[in-house]
Amino acid sequence: DAKTTQPPSMDCAEGRAANLPCNHSTISGNEYVYWYRQIHSQGPQYIIHGLKNNETNEMASLIITEDRKSSTLILPHATLRDTAVYYCIVPNAGNNRKLIWGLGTSLAVNP
Amino acid sequence: SAVISQKPSRDICQRGTSLTIQCQVDSQVTMMFWYRQQPGQSLTLIATANQGSEATYESGFVIDKFPISRPNLTFSTLTVSNMSPEDSSIYLCSVSDRTEAFFGQGTRLTVV
Repeated sequence: DAKTTQPPSMDCAEGRAANLPCNHSTISGNEYVYWYRQIHSQGPQYIIHGLKNNETNEMASLIITEDRKSSTLILPHATLRDTAVYYCIVPNAGNNRKLIWGLGTSLAVNP
Repeated sequence: SAVISQKPSRDICQRGTSLTIQCQVDSQVTMMFWYRQQPGQSLTLIATANQGSEATYESGFVIDKFPISRPNLTFSTLTVSNMSPEDSSIYLCSVSDRTEAFFGQGTRLTVV
């Protein structure tokens, strides 16, 4: 079973920030949090990952709470092309290449 | 990074037949992963394919139904055998480096 829980759907206005939450209350100290997204009819795409510190790249920012039990993916200026299903994943520390996928959050960016 | 090519991209097959899906990677990788994504659902890992050894199947998936080949470090095939309409899904090939996983565009299979 997936170790994460996410809201099934969210809406966001184009140009505004999209904040996608994820709960991972059973995460272990050495397990990373990964985010992927899947645009309709395409394979999943890596977005970002982190362990303890907040992370930022050209696609998004990842904010991880101090207790590491939850995190938020932030798309700072959402566009229509960001409409997708977003998956928060915590792989097993012993095998971080084996991904267990939950249902994700379906983000709709509206004009 | 890794670029993955899957063939075919889609197919419509008769029940009782088999389909072999090919996955080609542009670099050598140790592990390749095969996933199934049923309509409206998330991804489910079918098996992990290691070069030089038998694939490791997840609970609910068996070799007789989903035989896998891994002849070298850049190529793998997944066969969906004796298909039924319940096998209608998207099948995805994936590889990972130390940071992220890369996916092909998937094979959309419809069994009629």
